[in-house]
Amino acid sequence: EIVLTQSPGTLSLSPGERATLSCRASQSVSSSYLAWYQQKPGQAPRLLIYGASSRATGIPDRFSGSGSGTDFTLTISRLEPEDFAVYYCQQYGNSRTFGQGTKVEIK
Amino acid sequence: EVQLVESGGGLVQPGGSLRLSCAASGFTVSSNYMSWVRQAPGKGLEWVSVIHSGGSTYYADSVKGRFTISRDNSKNTLYLQMNSLRAEDTAVYYCARQRDGFNVWDAFDIWGQGTMVTVSS
Repeated sequence: EIVLTQSPGTLSLSPGERATLSCRASQSVSSSYLAWYQQKPGQAPRLLIYGASSRATGIPDRFSGSGSGTDFTLTISRLEPEDFAVYYCQQYGNSRTFGQGTKVEIK
Repeated sequence: EVQLVESGGGLVQPGGSLRLSCAASGFTVSSNYMSWVRQAPGKGLEWVSVIHSGGSTYYADSVKGRFTISRDNSKNTLYLQMNSLRAEDTAVYYCARQRDGFNVWDAFDIWGQGTMVTVSS
């Protein structure tokens, strides 16, 4: 099983700042089959990025994904108030596993 | 509108059974890869099971032999039959659709709102 480790556990930032979230895999992720999701309290996850760097339908361009192999990054260029949430990475190239999440909170 | 609506959650004793349903609208369940994903209270996401458009099924090791995923094409509904439930199965259960109906491996683009399952005596 591929284990995904996200860092940091919590990111404290102010609106307008840049957020950089990391996801590291225990082994190489096939064909960059890596996705990012946003989850707000009491809500289902929402797909942001798939294929490591492709934005899902309707996702603002302040969200971007990058990386390959074992190291992946989600960047939010300028945080909007609605972006404060928990973010999960997921690999889907070898079964399906999720990272433990990074909480982006208001500083 | 493309939508998934889960139902069937509730309180069940350890060792008991429960069947979750996930009604789809706006697309055809049988033409897509459909999964169940769960989230224990205050914890992260855990993939549980998938049914392929061709009917093949796969399970996480934690539920293999106890849970069964299925679908009713006439009702456009996905199911999860959960037997021999344990306290550690307590979670919100989401059904989710994979983004590409032709790709075995893809991200989940549509999620239901979730249904809570509590296993406790």
